[in-house]
Parts: sequence; C-alpha cells; structure tokens
Amino acid sequence: SAVISQKPSRDICQRGTSLTIQCQVDSQVTMMFWYRQQPGQSLTLIATANQGSEATYESGFVIDKFPISRPNLTFSTLTVSNLSPEDSSIYLCSAGPFGNQPQHFGDGTRLSIL
Amino acid sequence: AQKITQTQPGMFVQEKEAVTLDCTYDTSDQSYGLFWYKQPSSGEMIFLIYQGSYDEQNATEGRYSLNFQKARKSANLVISASQLGDSAMYFCAMREGSYQGAQKLVFGQGTRLTINP
Repeated sequence: SAVISQKPSRDICQRGTSLTIQCQVDSQVTMMFWYRQQPGQSLTLIATANQGSEATYESGFVIDKFPISRPNLTFSTLTVSNLSPEDSSIYLCSAGPFGNQPQHFGDGTRLSIL
Repeated sequence: AQKITQTQPGMFVQEKEAVTLDCTYDTSDQSYGLFWYKQPSSGEMIFLIYQGSYDEQNATEGRYSLNFQKARKSANLVISASQLGDSAMYFCAMREGSYQGAQKLVFGQGTRLTINP
C-alpha cells in the first residue's frame, strides 16, 4: 500500500498565526482529502483536493480559513489560518484509491493553540 | 441524518477473548464501501479492513473479520484473540458511490476498546 507522509507531526502555535501542513504520497493519486478531528470527536472532512482544480469544501469549512493547494498528483498542503483555540485538533490527510486498496491516512498533525 | 452509527462508546474485554464492535449504516446507494480504522493514542489512522457492497464474502484480514449483513445494514468488526495492543479507538466509515467516483468517507463516532490483561 502507498505511504503517506504528513508533517509536521505536531505543533504549538500562537493565536492569530497560521500553520501549513504538508502531505506527500509516494505514488500518484487522483484525490486527496483533508480531515479534522477535534478532541474526543470523530473525523470530519474539511475538503477534497483534486490536482488542477479548486478544492471542494464541505459545509462549515471555507477557503479563507482552510486554503488548500494541490500542485501535483503526489502533494498537497492545508493551511489553517488565523488560529484560535477552537482550531486545536488533529488534522489528517488521506489519499486513494491505490489500485484495489482503499483510502489510507497520513500520521496526522496534532495542533495546539496557545 | 446519522449515516454511520457506532452504539458502543466504550468496550472492555479480557485479553485473548474475541470482541465484536458494532456498526450500522444508512445509505440509499447500491454501491458503497465500508471501512474500519484503528486509532491508537498516538493519533494515526490505521486501516484494518474493507468491505464492498457487492462483495459476496465477508472480508477477513488476519485477526480481523467483518460481519457484513447487508439487509440489516450492519458491518460489525470482529477481532479474534484480542491482544493488549488492540486497545485503541476504532472507527467505522462509509464511502458512498462507485469506487471510481466519490471517495470521501463518513465516520461513526468511534468505540474505545480497552483490553484488560
């Protein structure tokens, strides 16, 4: 199965700043996905990132807050802007399919806001 | 409407016993996929097992098997011979649509499994 590398693995940021999370896949994939997991909660999809087109955002998530780039078929970034304590979460990227293999996830970025 | 329901917030099981984690789903699609992921305290999501809606056999992967009952819309995860390292959060998720189409997943609320020595 494909390897998905995500960095940073964790960060502590000041309010009002931004954090960019990188996701690298070791093979070309059509779709990449960004999820948020708030403390004690399940995963919620933020957006779907297709190469060469604008990301598609889920209800409740906007591009100004969560800009996404997808410059090629193996890489994507998620920026969390104007950070507030409510943004403290684990952010996970996912990609797939890989042949007959379903979606796999990166190891996640654990973000804390001071 | 809740599409994936996991009714067991927490489960406690003795080591070496089998455990069943419940998952029911709701969809009007004929083509869909069901996933189980394990999330240890470190936070990564580990893929365990996948069942497609047209798969006739229940999926198995080592100690994991998926008890797929299509008419009842349930996809329970069975872990045989549980180990201490199985202690984690377990999420059931569903992909709607064809495999070549939409791939976004909807997750249940999870079950925290604790294996006691």
